[in-house]
Amino acid sequence: LAKTTQPISMDSYEGQEVNITCSHNNIATNDYITWYQQFPSQGPRFIIQGYKTKVTNEVASLFIPADRKSSTLSLPRVSLSDTAVYYCLVGEGTGFQKLVFGTGTRLLVSP
Amino acid sequence: GAGVSQSPSNKVTEKGKDVELRCDPISGHTALYWYRQRLGQGLEFLIYFQGNSAPDKSGLPSDRFSAERTGESVSTLTIQRTQQEDSAVYLCASTRGRMSYEQYFGPGTRLTVT
Repeated sequence: LAKTTQPISMDSYEGQEVNITCSHNNIATNDYITWYQQFPSQGPRFIIQGYKTKVTNEVASLFIPADRKSSTLSLPRVSLSDTAVYYCLVGEGTGFQKLVFGTGTRLLVSP
Repeated sequence: GAGVSQSPSNKVTEKGKDVELRCDPISGHTALYWYRQRLGQGLEFLIYFQGNSAPDKSGLPSDRFSAERTGESVSTLTIQRTQQEDSAVYLCASTRGRMSYEQYFGPGTRLTVT
């Protein structure tokens, strides 16, 4: 499974757009990029997954450049409730996926 | 139920005792996973079930750890002769099957070994 690198922490204010970038230089051809969100005292929650270019859902957007060696999770107009740890994971998108979590990015949104 | 449930939510035990942690996956989800999360850390994979078989036990830290699953329903993770380093949150997740990449996590069991 490809190793990922992301910032340990980020700070933002309510209403701003937050972009969290993840590096995955050793991503394999069959690998997908997946992001999870974890609030304190809860299990992680799936946010978004992509393979290339751009994916958007009701929660976030995921931007993946052509070389796929990095990806950026974009959270539009964050609120206090977006304060959480965000994990970037890389692995096969089909079949059994043993999720390998790093330490994630701790996002703090302030008023 | 609507989501993955785990019990107990909290467990305090003395060093050397055995503990059993329970996970009820979402109905119809064939794959079930156990992870461990130490304070301030990411998740460590422990074991995976497809139905009631466990193709991947590579993450179990030692032979004190074991897990079983009844059919495609409840799973129990057993830790024998608990040690202080076993203190962590134990998380369970389930998915619809091999072709599903989105894992649904339970709230976890916080285990404290004194």
